[in-house]
Formats: sequence, structure tokens, C-alpha cells
Amino acid sequence: GAGVSQSPSNKVTEKGKDVELRCDPISGHTALYWYRQSLGQGLEFLIYFQGNSAPDKSGLPSDRFSAERTGGSVSTLTIQRTQQEDSAVYLCASSAQGARGTEAFFGQGTRLTVV
Amino acid sequence: GDSVTQMEGPVTLSEEAFLTINCTYTATGYPSLFWYVQYPGEGLQLLLKATKADDKGSNKGFEATYRKETTSFHLEKGSVQVSDSAVYFCALSGGTGFQKLVFGTGTRLLVSP
Repeated sequence: GAGVSQSPSNKVTEKGKDVELRCDPISGHTALYWYRQSLGQGLEFLIYFQGNSAPDKSGLPSDRFSAERTGGSVSTLTIQRTQQEDSAVYLCASSAQGARGTEAFFGQGTRLTVV
Repeated sequence: GDSVTQMEGPVTLSEEAFLTINCTYTATGYPSLFWYVQYPGEGLQLLLKATKADDKGSNKGFEATYRKETTSFHLEKGSVQVSDSAVYFCALSGGTGFQKLVFGTGTRLLVSP
């Protein structure tokens, strides 16, 4: 596709349920990022995939959060047993790695509301 | 680890005023520096960037100069417009040899007519 695509755009879930958020990066981009943006807050780094390297999971806030990237393309962020504090906009970005200063392209985000 | 510090907002200005949003960074390596912008209802997009010391990034009338000696990358615009109202994020990558983007907390700019 022309840009980074995220689905769903909005998700309302009940506390305790599991959710899956999907990200389709720009074709050919080897790097993929997940960030979380809470209301009035900045961008919180969650996880970073780069090619076939082991992902940098240092930003995942708890073991309820996990992410996969299949075939070096599509990524899924899974939140188990959702809590109200998980409510936020989850942003995905991708970039073509290698050169200094490579731009990251962001999707529109998934707004997650846990009720 | 690497980090980015931005001035807190909101920054409220009248149209045609001069804008400065401060950004400083801490990095163990030699990072590239970015400003991203998020307009209301839209996704983040790159505004400008600089990859080496003394480089000046510019776009849409905005400028920022990579100052290694002061580890800063302040965003400036000589005359803001209402349409510049947005949230601005300073970011770096490549500080530790990896390209992971590290963002500041963002600064909201509100420009009134």
C-alpha cells in the first residue's frame, strides 16, 4: 500500500478481554515500531523490529503486552487481560533502514478504549 | 539510554509571532535529529531533520539547527500561522548505533488569529 495501515481504527473492549491490533507497514520497510500515545501524553515506545534481528521489547509495559512480526511484514500487537490504563492510541511506524536520518512513516493509529 | 527533552506546552501565540520550541537530547553516539508534527486529527509526519552537526533542517518556514556542543535542536519559525497549530515532537535515532526512534513528550502549539 501507499502508507502504513493500521486496523482497526477504533476498538472498544471490556476490561479483562484480549485485543489484537494490526499494522501493515510500507512494502520493503525493514524496521517497524509500535508506540503508545495516551491522552495529553507523549509517545511511549513499546517495541521495535529490525529485519531478522531480535526485537527490542524494552518498552513493553508488562507481560500482558506482546508483539509479533510475521515474514518481516505485518505486525500484530496483542494486549491480554486489558485494563483501563491500557486505553490509548497505539501507533505503528515503519522505515527503510540503513542510511542515517531515515524517516519513519506513521499510521493513523488504533484508538483503544477499555471500559 | 538515549533521551529527548522538550519544553512543556501548550505554547500559545498570536498569528505572525516568532516561535521557538526548545529541544535537547542525550545520546551516547552521534544521532540524527528530527522534528515530527501531528496536526489535529492526523497522523505524525516528518517536518524536518538533520543528520550531522551544524546541519540546518528546514521545511514550511520552520528551521532547526543541529548543535552538538549544546546537544540541542530547537525548532523556530519567524511568523506562525493559525494552520501551524499542532503538536510538535522532537526525536532522535542512531544514538547507540541503532535506528530506534526516541521521542520527546511533544509540545502543543496553539496559534490564534
